[in-house]
Order: sequence, then structure tokens, then C-alpha cells
Amino acid sequence: GQQVMQIPQYQHVQEGEDFTTYCNSSTTLSNIQWYKQRPGGHPVFLIQLVKSGEVKKQKRLTFQFGEAKKNSSLHITATQTTDVGTYFCAGEGSNDYKLSFGAGTTVTVRA
Amino acid sequence: NAGVTQTPKFRVLKTGQSMTLLCAQDMNHEYMYWYRQDPGMGLRLIHYSVGEGTTAKGEVPDGYNVSRLKKQNFLLGLESAAPSQTSVYFCASSPFRAGGSYEQYFGPGTRLTVT
Repeated sequence: GQQVMQIPQYQHVQEGEDFTTYCNSSTTLSNIQWYKQRPGGHPVFLIQLVKSGEVKKQKRLTFQFGEAKKNSSLHITATQTTDVGTYFCAGEGSNDYKLSFGAGTTVTVRA
Repeated sequence: NAGVTQTPKFRVLKTGQSMTLLCAQDMNHEYMYWYRQDPGMGLRLIHYSVGEGTTAKGEVPDGYNVSRLKKQNFLLGLESAAPSQTSVYFCASSPFRAGGSYEQYFGPGTRLTVT
């Protein structure tokens, strides 16, 4: 099955700064999903990208799916303390109904 | 709606003991999943089910068994617990979608320690 690599593992950000986390798959994906897990909590769905080259925005969060459908990125602008947590990407292979999760990027914010 | 619930929330087992984790969802979802989460390794799929009465192995199935006798419930069993199974276990469910999956809804997790 596909392997999904995610970098960086940790991101320490000054409040107000921007940052990006990247996700790469060893194989072509049918779709990619992003989840956020707050400390002590459970993963919560953020967004799903399906089309090649797709870009979606949610307020300060911008998600991209690569042209080859093998990579994705999450860019957060003007980081706030509410952005603290671990962000996971998860890729689905072709019609196999299951996700392969990246190891996650854990974000801490300095006020 | 309660969404996805998991029982118990915490458990401590001795090596060799057995236990069953229960996952229940009230959203009429077709797909259900069991993951384990360990530091620095993300979520790894143990077993999953695409419908009542069907189960399949995920990435790390050894040492675990599952059953889905009812659509709303997905049970994860450990027959003989080992310290390597110390982890946080998450259950998730997802609605049916032809040709792929929608987003997954996660339960609150079960923190299991095996001594």
C-alpha cells in the first residue's frame, strides 16, 4: 500500500507568522484528507481534496493537492494560539476505502 | 447524536490478559475503522470494515481480532495482551460513497497500558 510521509514533524511558530506542512505519497492518491488533533483530543476532519491541482481555503488555512496527486500541503497564515495541535494528512489509494496517515506535524505557538 | 463512542476510556492490563474494546456509532455509517496511535507514528490502521458482517486487515493487524455483527458496533479484541500493545486506540466511522471514502469521524479514544 501507499506510504505517506509528512514534514516537518514539529513546527514552532511565533504568533502571527505563517507556516507550511507538507505531505508526500509514494503512490498516486485518489484523494487526500487533512485532520487536526488538539492535545489530548481526537482527530477532527478539516478538508478533503480530490482533483489534481485543487486548492481550497478555510479562513487562514490553504490546502493544495499536487498535479500528480502524490503530494499536498497545508499553509496557515497569521498563526494564532488556537492553531496549536497536530495536523495529519491522510491519503486514500484507488477505491480501497481506507486511509494511510502521515506521522503528523505538531504545532506549538509562541505568544 | 452521540457520534462515535468508545468504551472504556482507560484500561490497564497485565501481560497475557484479554480484553475487548467497543466502538459504537449512531450515524448509520457503512465503514468503520480501528487505529492505534503511538508517539511520532501517526495513526496506523489495525482492522476495518466496509459493512455489517465484513472485516479486513489493515497495516498492523497482528495480535488483534475484530467483529462487526451489527452495523453500529465494531469490536476490537486483544486475546493475549503484550506491552507492545500499549497505545491509544481510536475508532472511526465513515459514510458510504461509491468509489472511495468520505471523511472519517473519530471517537474519543481508549488509552490502554499493558504492564
